[in-house]
Amino acid sequence: AQKVTQAQTEISVVEKEDVTLDCVYETRDTTYYLFWYKQPPSGELVFLIRRNSFDEQNEISGRYSWNFQKSTSSFNFTITASQVVDSAVYFCALSEAGGSYIPTFGRGTSLIVHP
Amino acid sequence: KAGVTQTPRYLIKTRGQQVTLSCSPISGHRSVSWYQQTPGQGLQFLFEYFSETQRNKGNFPGRFSGRQFSNSRSEMNVSTLELGDSALYLCASSPGERTIYEQYFGPGTRLTVT
Repeated sequence: AQKVTQAQTEISVVEKEDVTLDCVYETRDTTYYLFWYKQPPSGELVFLIRRNSFDEQNEISGRYSWNFQKSTSSFNFTITASQVVDSAVYFCALSEAGGSYIPTFGRGTSLIVHP
Repeated sequence: KAGVTQTPRYLIKTRGQQVTLSCSPISGHRSVSWYQQTPGQGLQFLFEYFSETQRNKGNFPGRFSGRQFSNSRSEMNVSTLELGDSALYLCASSPGERTIYEQYFGPGTRLTVT
């Protein structure tokens, strides 16, 4: 059975600090997909990134970067030089082939960036 | 392109009643999924539809049902409402055939059951 753990319930930082959101997953499948979504106070989830299990290359998009490590079953998300607009709940999700690709979401990490 | 729209945005119902929620996907998207979000259970998958066919169903009782129309619009229905059905119901559409592709979420329908 697939499982996603986001151990950090809430993180509070001051603007311009770097912050890393952790995501640890469990799956028995060799084919799976990992995602990060952002949910701002407005409630609408926003897609950030998708990674498949065969692509361990890290990715950087502006101030955002993702570190995918199959050896530790982790897919961590780092925000560099955080801004107040980054304040949101961030969800990590997993879809595995054996689970008919039904996505399982972590419980989310609430990030609060203070000015 | 217009985003995913959901109607109504807010709904208050009484236990025992039924409710229908509507979702219009992004133009061109044929895959629609529904999720329930509660503080206690988090985000949980309800259904996935593609070209009017239900592809997957989450672990929810039969009171929860859905359908997709030929224009890709989707509805979900909850019958015999219970207090525990109070939640934010989110609809998402995807450019691909399955939920392995990125999903674009609507603003949700906040359902309160009293």
